[in-house]
Amino acid sequence: GAVVSQHPSRVICKSGTSVKIECRSLDFQATTMFWYRQFPKQSLMLMATSNEGSKATYEQGVEKDKFLINHASLTLSTLTVTSAHPEDSSFYICSASNRRDWYQETQYFGPGTRLLVL
Amino acid sequence: DAKTTQPPSMDCAEGRAANLPCNHSTISGNEYVYWYRQIHSQGPQYIIHGLKNNETNEMASLIITEDRKSSTLILPHATLRDTAVYYCIVDEGYGGSQGNLIFGKGTKLSVKP
Repeated sequence: GAVVSQHPSRVICKSGTSVKIECRSLDFQATTMFWYRQFPKQSLMLMATSNEGSKATYEQGVEKDKFLINHASLTLSTLTVTSAHPEDSSFYICSASNRRDWYQETQYFGPGTRLLVL
Repeated sequence: DAKTTQPPSMDCAEGRAANLPCNHSTISGNEYVYWYRQIHSQGPQYIIHGLKNNETNEMASLIITEDRKSSTLILPHATLRDTAVYYCIVDEGYGGSQGNLIFGKGTKLSVKP
């Protein structure tokens, strides 16, 4: 149980185009979904937190107009990188929070999407 | 900054137990200890978590000291597929606070044949 998928796993795009990444919780309804970014040889950094039906909360320094997050349902969140530039090339990872009991949640991560902007 | 301290790297022989230490001396009473691992070019994988008591599941055991200032993740019979970066994270684990899991540098575990 607690499987999270991402699509696509890898994408190459031209500078100036937009790219959409999907994140799905396959066997549970996620109370919250999160988007992280990881640059080579660095640790994961949280970009934004999203709850179904409400606007995402972005971390400091993350442009909300550039990284559009839509949380359409309890099992689906999408991240759209608008007008992508080479510096946006990174490994994007989503996670979904599964409330196992009334007081504790555990985050489960997707396999990641590697974005390369040329 | 991460609230935990881990050795940057460790080696382990295949088939032997791997014991990964973590210091979290500033942990608060309502914070859990979570362990994740990240195999190269993949998303982090949840391993185990605990609050006060020792925990065991099909992947690993978690030993938390009585004062909760440190813990040890134990992989009882390490295999080559356990080679990964292991992250020890403390978090309240509730109400969205778990969103900001602070991943430090972790411990790179290399399991050798």
